[in-house]
Amino acid sequence: NAGVTQTPKFRVLKTGQSMTLLCAQDMNHEYMYWYRQDPGMGLRLIHYSVGEGTTAKGEVPDGYNVSRLKKQNFLLGLESAAPSQTSVYFCASTTRTSYTGELFFGEGSRLTVL
Amino acid sequence: AQSVSQHNHHVILSEAASLELGCNYSYGGTVNLFWYVQYPGQHLQLLLKYFSGDPLVKGIKGFEAEFIKSKFSFNLRKPSVQWSDTAEYFCAVKTGTASKLTFGTGTRLQVTL
Repeated sequence: NAGVTQTPKFRVLKTGQSMTLLCAQDMNHEYMYWYRQDPGMGLRLIHYSVGEGTTAKGEVPDGYNVSRLKKQNFLLGLESAAPSQTSVYFCASTTRTSYTGELFFGEGSRLTVL
Repeated sequence: AQSVSQHNHHVILSEAASLELGCNYSYGGTVNLFWYVQYPGQHLQLLLKYFSGDPLVKGIKGFEAEFIKSKFSFNLRKPSVQWSDTAEYFCAVKTGTASKLTFGTGTRLQVTL
């Protein structure tokens, strides 16, 4: 049981380049999330999805786009990367019927924008 | 908007010392509260959670936390830390719909031998 898997684990981009981070979960969870983690700022929610074909903005959505074409996948895109997007990105998921709302996290993707 | 405050940013303790990490939240309604731990180079793992009932919650690895509603607090405790507890600890509160979590800024715990 792989849980939540993120690819790639590491990536270096030049300013202005684009890329996509892939999150895949095999737990049949309805809800999926993208967070970014920065020193001294904890985790901040970028975008989230409550089901296939639906997405919503989180706390820091600017500069990112997402898509949820399949229930098990949640993609995070950067159309024109900026140095301010250098961060560690975490994907998480949970089930809609979870009473406690516990999130299950992937191992993170470290992105550096030069 | 809900917020979570962790007042201790970096804590250094010797092995066997007692630990208490503070967490305060701003939401006044019913809350679900969490502590997550992130060991160096790893992803976040759930340490413990509170959603109802006994305000003293016990988690993995000997950690516990007490929910004090009147103080809007959910402090994490461990009677005797080990070197392997060196990690970053995040308090979080479930906010609104869709099980979104709002995280605190984290506390880095360093345990020395």
